Amino acid sequence: DTEVTQTPKHLVMGMTNKKSLKCEQHMGHRAMYWYKQKAKKPPELMFVYSYEKLSINESVPSRFSPECPNSSLLNLHLHALQPEDSALYLCASSQMDRGLSNEQFFGPGTRLTVL
Amino acid sequence: KQEVTQIPAALSVPEGENLVLNCSFTDSAIYNLQWFRQDPGKGLTSLLLIQSSQREQTSGRLNASLDKSSGRSTLYIAASQPGDSATYLCAVGPLSGGYQKVTFGTGTKLQVIP
Repeated sequence: DTEVTQTPKHLVMGMTNKKSLKCEQHMGHRAMYWYKQKAKKPPELMFVYSYEKLSINESVPSRFSPECPNSSLLNLHLHALQPEDSALYLCASSQMDRGLSNEQFFGPGTRLTVL
Repeated sequence: KQEVTQIPAALSVPEGENLVLNCSFTDSAIYNLQWFRQDPGKGLTSLLLIQSSQREQTSGRLNASLDKSSGRSTLYIAASQPGDSATYLCAVGPLSGGYQKVTFGTGTKLQVIP
């Protein structure tokens, strides 16, 4: 199983709403990533979790709050977003150990629209 | 700081043609290089990954090569098909390994015309 799943596929929210994005993988990967992708641009890294601990926060605004409840799940909690936060949010996972390929596997993404 | 460039930004070819996509990077101290395809509004699909110790990888009609010393990788697509139409991204992984804070190229948008 080389699949990363993400829910929901689409999300429309107002600026005062609270919502969550979910990501799941069952490949035994111990690194999980959140990316943000705007139209016609490459993905931009937001957060990296390694062994369920936050390892990288790329200076992301606090209205985005990541959570890694266990080694298979990754959440992104959203609160008080701005219209410019509308984008495709991608989750990815990879192995962690040196000597392995550390190939990244991506989910299908959540298309977020903030009104 | 690693910078990754993909040329051309867009490419349109007739069906059946062989083609080459280019990826250039400025720092040769890399752990691996990965090629992805992305269909509009979709996630990234991993095509090929080349470890820094490897020169090339092949999967079906795809062949990716890596020349670390010159900071270049190419993705060769043989006998292109309309289904190959997508944006192709390369991503370079840093030497530290472990979790991968990769650097993406800006992508090449490929259109294969039937």
